[in-house]
Amino acid sequence: GAGVSQSPSNKVTEKGKDVELRCDPISGHTALYWYRQSLGQGLEFLIYFQGNSAPDKSGLPSDRFSAERTGGSVSTLTIQRTQQEDSAVYLCASSLGGWTPESDTQYFGPGTRLTVL
Amino acid sequence: AQTVTQSQPEMSVQEAETVTLSCTYDTSESDYYLFWYKQPPSRQMILVIRQEAYKQQNATENRFSVNFQKAAKSFSLKISDSQLGDAAMYFCAYRRYGDDKIIFGKGTRLHILP
Repeated sequence: GAGVSQSPSNKVTEKGKDVELRCDPISGHTALYWYRQSLGQGLEFLIYFQGNSAPDKSGLPSDRFSAERTGGSVSTLTIQRTQQEDSAVYLCASSLGGWTPESDTQYFGPGTRLTVL
Repeated sequence: AQTVTQSQPEMSVQEAETVTLSCTYDTSESDYYLFWYKQPPSRQMILVIRQEAYKQQNATENRFSVNFQKAAKSFSLKISDSQLGDAAMYFCAYRRYGDDKIIFGKGTRLHILP
């Protein structure tokens, strides 16, 4: 079946504008993650959704960042009043959820490269 | 707080040779998981290998194997018979049992020389 998809693949915006990044997880995956990958850095956890539970927002860097997941499937990461330091690749991943190798393996999308001018 | 350190920002290996990527981590937990992920130029992260901390046996996946030293908190990745398609960024990662977040190192860029 299809893997995790993200759109757009690239986004260029001006400082101060709002942007929305979309993630379509693998069908049937209950867990969904957002990460940020800045140049020369590893992946930084942003937010995690699991089923109908309240999301884990502990990684969001500021209140300009928010995310929602509608119907337990598609997720949107919104960055308000973008700053130049928000420039990065934003990666989404999904998994079945659980603690076995089969169920907790995260499958990643190709990411969205955000450039804030 | 848990941390993952990859001390080699870049490495090169001749095609068909063997290369070892280093990773150390810091945790006070006893139950956790360790991973190596590969990120090719397409940016899509791919799980290479996984190790449960309670297992003494080192994980192996075809040409990829790990040397897991729990006491030393070391988790290195060995790639045998390197191929051009192995060229990528490799990330070491840690996940505490009971936690859904994965903590990633900063990565090692691996070049394969023909």
